[in-house]
Order: sequence, then structure tokens, then C-alpha cells
Amino acid sequence: QLVLAQSPSASASLGASVKLTCTLSSGHSSYAIAWHQQQPEKGPRFVMKLNSDGSHTKGDGIPDRFSGSSSGAERYLTISSLQSEDEADYYCQTWGTGIQVFGGGTKLTVL
Amino acid sequence: QVQLVESGGTVVQPGRSLRLSCAASGFTFNNYPMHWVRQAPGKGLEWVAVMSSDGSNKYYADSMKGRFTISRDNSKNTLDLQMSSLTAEDTAVYYCAREVSGVFSAWGQGTLVTVSS
Repeated sequence: QLVLAQSPSASASLGASVKLTCTLSSGHSSYAIAWHQQQPEKGPRFVMKLNSDGSHTKGDGIPDRFSGSSSGAERYLTISSLQSEDEADYYCQTWGTGIQVFGGGTKLTVL
Repeated sequence: QVQLVESGGTVVQPGRSLRLSCAASGFTFNNYPMHWVRQAPGKGLEWVAVMSSDGSNKYYADSMKGRFTISRDNSKNTLDLQMSSLTAEDTAVYYCAREVSGVFSAWGQGTLVTVSS
């Protein structure tokens, strides 16, 4: 069964870096994922598509501070030089034939 | 620019039906599969349904099968979701989203459906 696991919360200081993790279920380590950002009281926003080899394609207007990487079944979103507007929920998403799956989301707090 | 605008959300009684719409602009609508995704209050994102670009294929999340129907009108650049037998568990913000090669590349701002007596 295709499942994505995310830690419920993360925090880091203003100006620091943070690495969020999304883990694919067993047998699905070759899958690409997407990261989406949801700021408070707003709709989601596409951040990037991240492939199993770590290559990624970002959405329009996503700053260079956002980058992605992969290792095995883990997919990472790294945000450097954290700013207050980065405080948001971050969801990973993947897909199969006729199905879409979301992780539970990580709430990022910028201290 | 790409724009997706949902409408139709309201307060509805349990057991009733409701139809949501999504108006698309800024891109060639009939080139893209389109999805509905929902988010219950304080909860995460939940995929609802997808319709292929030409309308020939549709898929639903298991919990929505038989109650929800997705449709599109490529001549009007609109995507609809017909929901029936609504329960309190269907209370959520409903988003439409454009898909590019599996990825939700654009989202609407959402429309709130509240199921309550």
C-alpha cells in the first residue's frame, strides 16, 4: 500500500535551515513525490516535484532557498535562511494509477 | 496566469446533495487532468477524485465512491463535483487542482462545505 509518512511538527530559528522528511512506504522507494506549502488560512501551493535521484523542479516563484534531495525511500525538503513567511504546513504527495496520496503534513514553526 | 476558482460551498443538511464548481483560466484546460482534494477543519489534505483531460476516465477515493461524481465541461473550462448523501464527515474545504504528470501543479483557493442540521 502506497503511504507517505511525515513528522507532525518541526521548528527552527529565523535565518537558520530546516530539513523536512517524507518517507515512502516499503516497495515504493523509486517513486517521485511533490512538496506543497500551505500557509495559515490559505490554499496549498506547489513547491517542487522531487525525483528518486534527487533532481527536482520547482514551482513558479519558489525561492532558491528551497531545495530537495532524496535518499532511498526518504524525500527531503530543505529550507535555508528561514523567513517568517516560511511558517506553514508542508505536505508531500505522490501518485499511482488512479490514486493520489498525501502525507499527514508537517507544521513548521519559525522561532 | 493560471487561476482556479471554486464555488458552491455552503451549509447543507445531512443527507442532502450539493454541487461544487471550479472555473479554470489562464491555461489550456482540456490538456490537463483535474482533481478535487478536500481538507477537513484542522486536518490534512485528502484526495477526492480525478477526471482525465478528455473526460474519458475518472477515479475516486474509496470513501467517496458511489456518493461523489466528478465531471468537466471542456467547452466552458469548468470542473464539477456532485456530492450526495452528505454527512458531517464531509465537512471540509474543497479544492480543485490541476495535474501535470502526477503532480498538483496549481490549486484553487477552496470552497467551504459545512454539513450540519
